[in-house]
Amino acid sequence: DAKTTQPTSMDCAEGRAANLPCNHSTISGNEYVYWYRQIHSQGPQYIIHGLKNNETNEMASLIITEDRKSSTLILPHATLRDTAVYYCIVRVNNAGNMLTFGGGTRLMVKP
Amino acid sequence: GAVVSQHPSRVICKSGTSVKIECRSLDFQATTMFWYRQFPKQSLMLMATSNEGSKATYEQGVEKDKFLINHASLTLSTLTVTSAHPEDSSFYICSATDIQGASRYGYTFGSGTRLTVV
Repeated sequence: DAKTTQPTSMDCAEGRAANLPCNHSTISGNEYVYWYRQIHSQGPQYIIHGLKNNETNEMASLIITEDRKSSTLILPHATLRDTAVYYCIVRVNNAGNMLTFGGGTRLMVKP
Repeated sequence: GAVVSQHPSRVICKSGTSVKIECRSLDFQATTMFWYRQFPKQSLMLMATSNEGSKATYEQGVEKDKFLINHASLTLSTLTVTSAHPEDSSFYICSATDIQGASRYGYTFGSGTRLTVV
């Protein structure tokens, strides 16, 4: 799976949008971009994933650049409960393929 | 949605004893389960991949005789830490999916087990 690069940490004010960037310049054509987050002392939680098009669900939006070399996860109205480590992972979409976690971005939402 | 249950959530054991951690898929059949380990302030590291009815595949540097994995059914995988030592103290997390889930959202994770060996 292609490697990803994320900032180590970010701060965001409560109620504002949190924009978390991810670089994946070596992504292959059949690799999806996945985002998970891990709240302290819990297992990772799936957020969203996409291949080429921008995606939106009840948790977040995913913006993927046209060349697919980078993406941005957007939490539209961050709350204190969104404080977590956010992982951007690229992987081929099949059942036997593991998830490889990088360092992630530690997002701190502040009141 | 898919739910993965992991037990116990935390355990303290004496050095030299063995500890078993269970990972269950509650509403789907998990053909593949993964076991991760996470040390403080570090990311998740894959330990092994477990397929139902076959031997687990361990990552380099993970001792298969120390970390016994059993995946006897499509809904249950167990990780047994044998002869635990203080350096085995860590946060252990399992994940699982079915074929349909893998294409929709990748994997569902258990809530993790905090192991402390004293």
